[in-house]
Amino acid sequence: AQKITQTQPGMFVQEKEAVTLDCTYDTSDQSYGLFWYKQPSSGEMIFLIYQGSYDEQNATEGRYSLNFQKARKSANLVISASQLGDSAMYFCAMRELDTGRRALTFGSGTRLQVQP
Amino acid sequence: DARVTQTPRDKVTEMGQEVTMRCQPILGHNTVFWYRQTMMQGLELLAYFRNRAPLDDSGMPKDRFSAEMPDATLATLKIQPSEPRDSAVYFCASGLVLGKSDTQYFGPGTRLTVL
Repeated sequence: AQKITQTQPGMFVQEKEAVTLDCTYDTSDQSYGLFWYKQPSSGEMIFLIYQGSYDEQNATEGRYSLNFQKARKSANLVISASQLGDSAMYFCAMRELDTGRRALTFGSGTRLQVQP
Repeated sequence: DARVTQTPRDKVTEMGQEVTMRCQPILGHNTVFWYRQTMMQGLELLAYFRNRAPLDDSGMPKDRFSAEMPDATLATLKIQPSEPRDSAVYFCASGLVLGKSDTQYFGPGTRLTVL
């Protein structure tokens, strides 16, 4: 069974600094996808970035990058140049591809607070 | 700017009442998911449709919950009868399966309170 672990319940970062949010996963599938979502206080879930297990390069989307270390089963999210609007809950999620089950399994989330 | 829409955004009801939540997936998407978010359980899958066919509803209490897709533009989640423990935020998400890559886009959620 797949499992996502986010060990940081909360994080603080100063505005304009970079921050890394940790995510480790466990799966027996050879092919899987890893996702990060942002949930601001308004409640919606916003897709940020995707990494396939078969991708050779780490994914990047603007200020977001994913530090994917397959051997360590980690998929950390790096936010560069933090902004006040980045304050939110961040969820790491995984989908196993070999089984064809398309549903996401989510971690417990990390609450990020960006301080001015 | 295509988005998943959900109605209602907020629902307060009394125990025993029927609740119906609706979702309009992004046009052209062929997968629809219902997730529930609570403080205790986090985000968990309730049901999953592909091309309108239910593929996985293992996370859904069968005795009171039902999920359907009457057409490609509408997915519904019903609870009958509702109980206080059903209070949660219910998210609908849709995606387009293209090979191995499919990102799920979430709607704004329905916040359900059962008194």
